[in-house]
Amino acid sequence: DTGVSQDPRHKITKRGQNVTFRCDPISEHNRLYWYRQTLGQGPEFLTYFQNEAQLEKSRLLSDRFSAERPKGSFSTLEIQRTEQGDSAMYLCASSPQGARETQYFGPGTRLLVL
Amino acid sequence: KQEVTQIPAALSVPEGENLVLNCSFTDSAIYNLQWFRQDPGKGLTSLLLIQSSQREQTSGRLNASLDKSSGRSTLYIAASQPGDSATYLCAVRRDNDMRFGAGTRLTVKP
Repeated sequence: DTGVSQDPRHKITKRGQNVTFRCDPISEHNRLYWYRQTLGQGPEFLTYFQNEAQLEKSRLLSDRFSAERPKGSFSTLEIQRTEQGDSAMYLCASSPQGARETQYFGPGTRLLVL
Repeated sequence: KQEVTQIPAALSVPEGENLVLNCSFTDSAIYNLQWFRQDPGKGLTSLLLIQSSQREQTSGRLNASLDKSSGRSTLYIAASQPGDSATYLCAVRRDNDMRFGAGTRLTVKP
């Protein structure tokens, strides 16, 4: 399968713990995006990478959040000192270069912070 | 700031009906508009992408239109089937910022 993959699919953690999610984009796509989606809402943009460079970050991305794409392939999103308000679905998408291109989404990682 | 609104929030129809989902946006300076489908607990599947210079796109039983000047798009689903039951999201794109509506939850009853 050559689609976008995310791991893990589900994560339950206790408040205050750190969590890390991984996204593997479609191999030839050099753009990678992270979104957060809460129940009953559409996804909200968090950040995006062009190759290994993180080019834009939303105000939603507090200093507890960090994202990396070290070799321009897979990406990780880490949340430190998780809070109950971080509970959401975290979606990754990739696209070829170009702001007009379709984004292809992964299945998401559902995070529950107890 | 771009605001995207989808009406209705939920819709239930009997199988076989034709239906229209609506999406409106406040800033007409967009690159494109995309319609997605999302099944419960799953990621998004792209259905149709309309570039800002286009008026409509069609794929099978789906037809999406775009009126950029009025800030509106519609997704038309012909001859609905129970397998069409899902949440449908529209998203508008400007630069690297994609803004989503909250979606319309569609139920097609057999």
